[in-house]
This record gives sequence, structure tokens and C-alpha cells, in this order.
Amino acid sequence: AQSVAQPEDQVNVAEGNPLTVKCTYSVSENPYLFWYVQYPNRGLQFLLKYITGDNLVKGSYGFEAEFNKSQTSFHLKKPSALVSDSALYFCAVTAADRGSTLGRLYFGRGTQLTVWP
Amino acid sequence: EAQVTQNPRYLITVTGKKLTVTCSQNMNHEYMSWYRQDPGLGLRQIYYSMNVEVTDKGDVPEGYKVSRKEKRNFPLILESPSPNQTSLYFCASRWGPRTDTQYFGPGTRLTVL
Repeated sequence: AQSVAQPEDQVNVAEGNPLTVKCTYSVSENPYLFWYVQYPNRGLQFLLKYITGDNLVKGSYGFEAEFNKSQTSFHLKKPSALVSDSALYFCAVTAADRGSTLGRLYFGRGTQLTVWP
Repeated sequence: EAQVTQNPRYLITVTGKKLTVTCSQNMNHEYMSWYRQDPGLGLRQIYYSMNVEVTDKGDVPEGYKVSRKEKRNFPLILESPSPNQTSLYFCASRWGPRTDTQYFGPGTRLTVL
């Protein structure tokens, strides 16, 4: 079964400090991994994705994520947090196995990031 | 502008009164989905559609119906809403392959009294 875990409901960091939002996954075959962000009263916006290739993926707004196959993780990172990064972040996974999932995307429960001035 | 639109954005209704939430995308996407978002539970898929006239259940389909008569539209129907369907609903679409980015609508906040 496919699943995603975001072990932290909340992450608090000071502006200018590096941030990490954690994500681990479980899929039967090779994973496709995504990060989305949700600002208050808005829909989800795409940040970045890992399909294949370089384990370090760069995305929008200075975010990046590192795919670690041995640890089944895809943590979201940013070297220097901004107050405007405060939002709800979702990790999502689907698998390359066409027969099992039909392309469904499975989401984690979300992590609320708060960046304080 | 490429977008997914939903209507209404906010709805308060009473138990048992049928309602429809519309979803439309202008990107010629084949794959469309409905999700509900509840605190502490993240996003859970209700139904999805791989193309016109092709729909299937997601994780929480009970109490919902969908149809896909046109490629651009994917309405969500609640035949007899109940209070446990009070939630924030999102429609999403993507072109096709599972590697594609999924685009989300702005959400519909539904309250069932």
C-alpha cells in the first residue's frame, strides 16, 4: 500500500534560519514524490517534484528537497526561512507501477510551518 | 489563464438537501480528482476520473457521486448531505501521466447543518 508520513504537525523556525519539513513514504515500486504548499484560504500550489535522476530537487520560492531511497525520505528544505513561508505543507507520493495505483496521489497529513520574525 | 475553478466557494446547507459543487478546468487535462480536507487528516481522495465517462472511487467515496460528461467539467454531487460531510473540498486536474503536476482549485467550504 502507498502511504506518506509527515511526522511533525508543526515546525517553528526563526526568520533567516534554515528550515526542514520531514516526509517519509512507502510505495511498492519506484516513487514519484511531490511537495505542495497551502496558504490560508487558498488551494494547494505545487512546489517541486522528484521523478528520477538527481536526488536533490530544486523548486519554487527557494525550496529544495532531497530524495533518499535508503531512508525512504523526501525532506523539504530551505537555507533561509522567510515569514512569508508560513503555510501548510503537504508531501505526496504516487508509484511508477501502472497496474496498482492508476496514478492516484497519496497525501500526508500536512505540516504547519510558522516562521517568526 | 490556466486554472481550475470551483463553485460555490462557500456553502451552508441543511441535512438532506441535494447539492452540487461544480469544477471546471481550461487546460484540456484528462485526469481530474476530488479531495476533502479535514484537520489532522490531510487530503483524502473522494473520486477521480481518468477521462470522459471514466470515473472510479477514491478513499472516501461514501455519500458522494460524480460524473464526467465533458472533459473540462467534473461536478461533485451530494445527494443527501449529512453533517459529517462538513469539510473543505478541492478539485484538482492534471494532463495525464502520474509524473505530471496536479493543479488545484481554490476550494469549497461546505457546512451541513
